[in-house]
Amino acid sequence: NAGVTQTPKFQVLKTGQSMTLQCAQDMNHEYMSWYRQDPGMGLRLIHYSVGAGITDQGEVPNGYNVSRSTTEDFPLRLLSAAPSQTSVYFCASRGQWGREAFFGQGTRLTVV
Amino acid sequence: AQKVTQAQTEISVVEKEDVTLDCVYETRDTTYYLFWYKQPPSGELVFLIRRNSFDEQNEISGRYSWNFQKSTSSFNFTITASQVVDSAVYFCALSETNDYKLSFGAGTTVTVRA
Repeated sequence: NAGVTQTPKFQVLKTGQSMTLQCAQDMNHEYMSWYRQDPGMGLRLIHYSVGAGITDQGEVPNGYNVSRSTTEDFPLRLLSAAPSQTSVYFCASRGQWGREAFFGQGTRLTVV
Repeated sequence: AQKVTQAQTEISVVEKEDVTLDCVYETRDTTYYLFWYKQPPSGELVFLIRRNSFDEQNEISGRYSWNFQKSTSSFNFTITASQVVDSAVYFCALSETNDYKLSFGAGTTVTVRA
């Protein structure tokens, strides 16, 4: 099993560009989420999904969009990149609420 | 609202010293789970342990041990006889009843010097 696969690993964007971070899991987990990691702030939840067709906002959703058309995939879209979105992004999946989350490798995004 | 506080931003020790990482949490739920994750310099997040709110037994896994105290809302993590490979950022996290979201602390950077 691959677990959680997240692409790309690195990305540089110009201000105003859009892009999609891909996330796929092969563990048949219903719950998937996106976090961003910034120095001194831990991981903050951007968006999450509790199943195909169901998404909701997390703590810092502005500037991001998500969809969940299948159980396996949960892409994160940056609509118009801003320097404030420079961060490391992690996708995670979780099978049950009491179980641990499995994380992708992370995407280091720089917006110039 | 749930909240996790890791007051120690950075800890630097010499190899073979013990190091304790503090984690204090806030929640109104009586049922919840606590987690520790390790983020080595390579960047991935590695799951270390989970503990549910009804299990206050301390746990030891090799050089790692965890002390869970509901009375003080703390879930502290100790690395005994630290090694250079323990250098990483360590995160404490909380998940409340039937909530799939994880709330993370800000993380503690541990540097172990040879």
